[in-house]
Amino acid sequence: QGLLQESGPGLVRPSETLSLTCTVSGYSISSGYYWAWIRQPPGKGLEWIASAHQSGSTYYNPSLKSRVTISLDTSKNQFSLKVTSLTATDTAVYYCARFDYGFGLDFWGQGALVTVSS
Amino acid sequence: EIVLTQSPGTLSLSPGESATFSCRASQSVRSSHLAWYQQKPGQAPRLLIYAASSRATGIPDRFSGSGSGADFTLTISRLEPEDFAVYFCQLYGESPLFTFGPGTKVDIK
Repeated sequence: QGLLQESGPGLVRPSETLSLTCTVSGYSISSGYYWAWIRQPPGKGLEWIASAHQSGSTYYNPSLKSRVTISLDTSKNQFSLKVTSLTATDTAVYYCARFDYGFGLDFWGQGALVTVSS
Repeated sequence: EIVLTQSPGTLSLSPGESATFSCRASQSVRSSHLAWYQQKPGQAPRLLIYAASSRATGIPDRFSGSGSGADFTLTISRLEPEDFAVYFCQLYGESPLFTFGPGTKVDIK
């Protein structure tokens, strides 16, 4: 059974850049799956942020595309997310997940709460 | 851009009752790309149904999905105490790559 674990700062100041990492264990991120970041503001619904595939393909939510970057590090079996120009509206639980095309987001990390505040 | 709407927003039911809720897309979509997730407070979402009607690994058979075109349904045949949660539908493979519905909360009457 695979595991995903998010890591990153819990508190970030407005206008700064958020960097999050998802460490994957139990399977290789080069194994043909897609890898995704999803976030959930407190008390609200789910918002897809970005996805990446080992082929080098990346996909972004158009509403966030100008501020986010997703990348894979196959040597560490990790993938990462950067979000720039943070505001309070970026406060959310950030989840990393594995996407198996045809099956959906089948494995999720436990989530990391990120608060944007001065 | 395809938009997903879910109804009702909240469903108040008792254990043992059945629950049915809807996910509607703003245009016809591939049913093979429609999934349902369950989320309990403080937990990550869990995949329940993929390709509109196939249960994910380990999901009890009281959960069933159906639908095609733009209208999809998730049914829980006999609510167990652990089923009281929020349910999201999700479309993938379109533009944008993923779209989530706003969710339906099932709470205890």
